[in-house]
Amino acid sequence: QKEVEQNSGPLSVPEGAIASLNCTYSDRGSQSFFWYRQYSGKSPELIMFIYSNGDKEDGRFTAQLNKASQYVSLLIRDSQPSDSATYLCAVNLAGGYNKLIFGAGTRLAVHP
Amino acid sequence: GAVVSQHPSWVICKSGTSVKIECRSLDFQATTMFWYRQFPKQSLMLMATSNEGSKATYEQGVEKDKFLINHASLTLSTLTVTSAHPEDSSFYICSAKSPRDAYEQYFGPGTRLTVT
Repeated sequence: QKEVEQNSGPLSVPEGAIASLNCTYSDRGSQSFFWYRQYSGKSPELIMFIYSNGDKEDGRFTAQLNKASQYVSLLIRDSQPSDSATYLCAVNLAGGYNKLIFGAGTRLAVHP
Repeated sequence: GAVVSQHPSWVICKSGTSVKIECRSLDFQATTMFWYRQFPKQSLMLMATSNEGSKATYEQGVEKDKFLINHASLTLSTLTVTSAHPEDSSFYICSAKSPRDAYEQYFGPGTRLTVT
């Protein structure tokens, strides 16, 4: 069974701080990795994806991938109360099936 | 960006009846569509992968005779929940993949099903 693990939280950070979200995965052959944000009652929206080792930055968001450690993270700089949501890590399995396996999500709460 | 719609956005049905959910890619042709189910406070669970013109591939534990998937065109996939029971009440979300994008899936807004 391919697994994606996340800390369920809640992760509570003050407004303006850096939020750090972590994810590990079991399928060593996984090729691409996604971070989604999901507000309550809504479908997930893509924040960013990464497929090469290292960092990828997009605005206030930075994704970090370490394939050797099977670890991917998301940093949110200058956190805002509107960032409060559940963050889902998803992994595209090896084999070209385009199937996404989701972690259980980490609930982030940014307090003023 | 690519847009995926779902209809209806919410539906209430009686136990034992069937309900159909539509997923449409509005501005691109989707070679592959995916159906997910999400129970409260849980993550998305992939139910099946649907390729246009061929039978859907179901994930382990998902009853193909209960969850009928049809992908009749490159812009439309339907999920029919047959003989629905209260335990089928969930948030059903589809996603679609464009051949233009190597990695990304585009998610619909979801359909909330309540079976009474």
